[in-house]
Amino acid sequence: DAKTTQPTSMDCAEGRAANLPCNHSTISGNEYVYWYRQIHSQGPQYIIHGLKNNETNEMASLIITEDRKSSTLILPHATLRDTAVYYCIVRVQFSTNNDMRFGAGTRLTVKP
Amino acid sequence: DADVTQTPRNRITKTGKRIMLECSQTKGHDRMYWYRQDPGLGLRLIYYSFDVKDINKGEISDGYSVSRQAQAKFSLSLESAIPNQTALYFCATSDDRGYGYTFGSGTRLTVV
Repeated sequence: DAKTTQPTSMDCAEGRAANLPCNHSTISGNEYVYWYRQIHSQGPQYIIHGLKNNETNEMASLIITEDRKSSTLILPHATLRDTAVYYCIVRVQFSTNNDMRFGAGTRLTVKP
Repeated sequence: DADVTQTPRNRITKTGKRIMLECSQTKGHDRMYWYRQDPGLGLRLIYYSFDVKDINKGEISDGYSVSRQAQAKFSLSLESAIPNQTALYFCATSDDRGYGYTFGSGTRLTVV
């Protein structure tokens, strides 16, 4: 599976948009981009996923570049409760192997 | 009730003891997983099961065993606990599409 590269940490002001980048330069055509987050020591929480089109849900937006080698997770109006570690993962859909691999992620700190 | 329930939430045990961590889910999913998280690190896969008769080793299965008692239940055992198995353990479930994993709240295990 393709590996991902994320910054170790980022800060964001409360109320502003948080833009979290992820590089996945070796992504294959059938691999999706998934984002999860982990607040403190809770279980990770699914946020969003996409293949090549931009996606939006009630939590966030996912912007995938045309060449699919990178993506950005956008939290439009960050709150203090969005402080968490954010994981970017690439994997195939309908996988017969387990390949949802969580790396170190990006620690986002939202500041008042 | 939570979709994925892990028991116990916290456990302190002595070196050499056998311990079982339990997980149950109400999502109706076939796929279940056990992950381990050490401080400051991402999650690592211990075992996964795609149905009751299918059990697979993950990245770090040595020293662990699992039992899939039913579609909804997946238990993790440490046959002879050692201090470096001190960690946060998460159970998760997903449907066959693998869109989004649902995680439990975790079990914090300390081996002294």
